[in-house]
Amino acid sequence: GAGVSQTPSNKVTEKGKYVELRCDPISGHTALYWYRQSLGQGPEFLIYFQGTGAADDSGLPNDRFFAVRPEGSVSTLKIQRTERGDSAVYLCASSPDGASGANVLTFGAGSRLTVL
Amino acid sequence: AQSVTQPDIHITVSEGASLELRCNYSYGATPYLFWYVQSPGQGLQLLLKYFSGDTLVQGIKGFEAEFKRSQSSFNLRKPSVHWSDAAEYFCAVGSPASGGGADGLTFGKGTHLIIQP
Repeated sequence: GAGVSQTPSNKVTEKGKYVELRCDPISGHTALYWYRQSLGQGPEFLIYFQGTGAADDSGLPNDRFFAVRPEGSVSTLKIQRTERGDSAVYLCASSPDGASGANVLTFGAGSRLTVL
Repeated sequence: AQSVTQPDIHITVSEGASLELRCNYSYGATPYLFWYVQSPGQGLQLLLKYFSGDTLVQGIKGFEAEFKRSQSSFNLRKPSVHWSDAAEYFCAVGSPASGGGADGLTFGKGTHLIIQP
């Protein structure tokens, strides 16, 4: 697509529920990133995919968080047993090739998650 | 590990006045440097970037930034702000040694720009 698309744009759930957030990157971009932005903070790195594999998942806060990218394009961020502290905007970004730090990330508009 | 400091949480500027947003970074060598802007409900949009060469870089929407190695700074400037510039501005540092991942791009906490009529 022309840009990075994220769905849903807003998600309200109850504590303990399971949620999935979807990211559709720019066509042809091999690198895909997930960031989390809490209120009043800058984006914080969660996980980075190069193709289908997670090249770096060191930013995932705990084992309730998991992400997949089975065909090297669309990615899903999965959060189990949600907690109120998971409330944030989850940003997805893609770049043509993650191998170079000179690659510019293009961000989606984000998915705002609210856990009640 | 790299880090970014944006000392000003909020800045208020009158429309038509000049603007400077501060950014200081910590990195062992010369990093890649970026400024992004985020409007309400929008994704992060790249304003400009510095990789190497001329230390004064021009970006979109009339913004520019200057890399000063001696001060570890990459301040963003605009000579005359418009009401539409009101947004959140993020400075970010990237590692030339790493394309992605935790070392790929680190953001500051942002500066909220308010434009007074």
